[in-house]
Amino acid sequence: KAGVTQTPRYLIKTRGQQVTLSCSPISGHRSVSWYQQTPGQGLQFLFEYFSETQRNKGNFPGRFSGRQFSNSRSEMNVSTLELGDSALYLCASSLTPGHEETQYFGPGTRLLVL
Amino acid sequence: AQSVTQLDSQVPVFEEAPVELRCNYSSSVSVYLFWYVQYPNQGLQLLLKYLSGSTLVKGINGFEAEFNKSQTSFHLRKPSVHISDTAEYFCAVSGSQGGSEKLVFGKGTKLTVNP
Repeated sequence: KAGVTQTPRYLIKTRGQQVTLSCSPISGHRSVSWYQQTPGQGLQFLFEYFSETQRNKGNFPGRFSGRQFSNSRSEMNVSTLELGDSALYLCASSLTPGHEETQYFGPGTRLLVL
Repeated sequence: AQSVTQLDSQVPVFEEAPVELRCNYSSSVSVYLFWYVQYPNQGLQLLLKYLSGSTLVKGINGFEAEFNKSQTSFHLRKPSVHISDTAEYFCAVSGSQGGSEKLVFGKGTKLTVNP
């Protein structure tokens, strides 16, 4: 069974631009969560989607948004990029919400904002 | 609210030595506990998890962890490490009551295994 895939793997943007990251969950997994990893703040929860609905959101500004499609694939978008948005963005999928024991992570997208 | 404290940010050890990576958590509800490993430039890989039952949990790559409810700890151990175990290790907690789907992570412990 294929794992969680994230595209692109690496991305360089400049301040003020916007970016869209994609995550394809494991086949059969319908819940997708996003995390941001930075050296200073560590791993922080961004949001979680299930059945095309955002179920839970972390403490991030409105510039961070996401969505989920009917095939469970998810995208996250960051608008008006800031230098501090440079991070590794990790996507995780699980069967359904509330089942972190089945959650598996993708390899991440490394975003560099210049 | 849940929180996780990993007491050591860096742990250097020699190859074939035993290692313990410490993790303490706080939570007002029953929890699930996890250890993840992250190799350089890669995502997170689940090492092991505690959901219920036996407090000693065995994971991949020879790692094990013990859940201690009274001390609110979930320390990770390996009796003999290899160079290939050099990586960053994250302890995480989630509520087991449902309703909160997010994992709360510790800051991580960088394990360096020296020859």
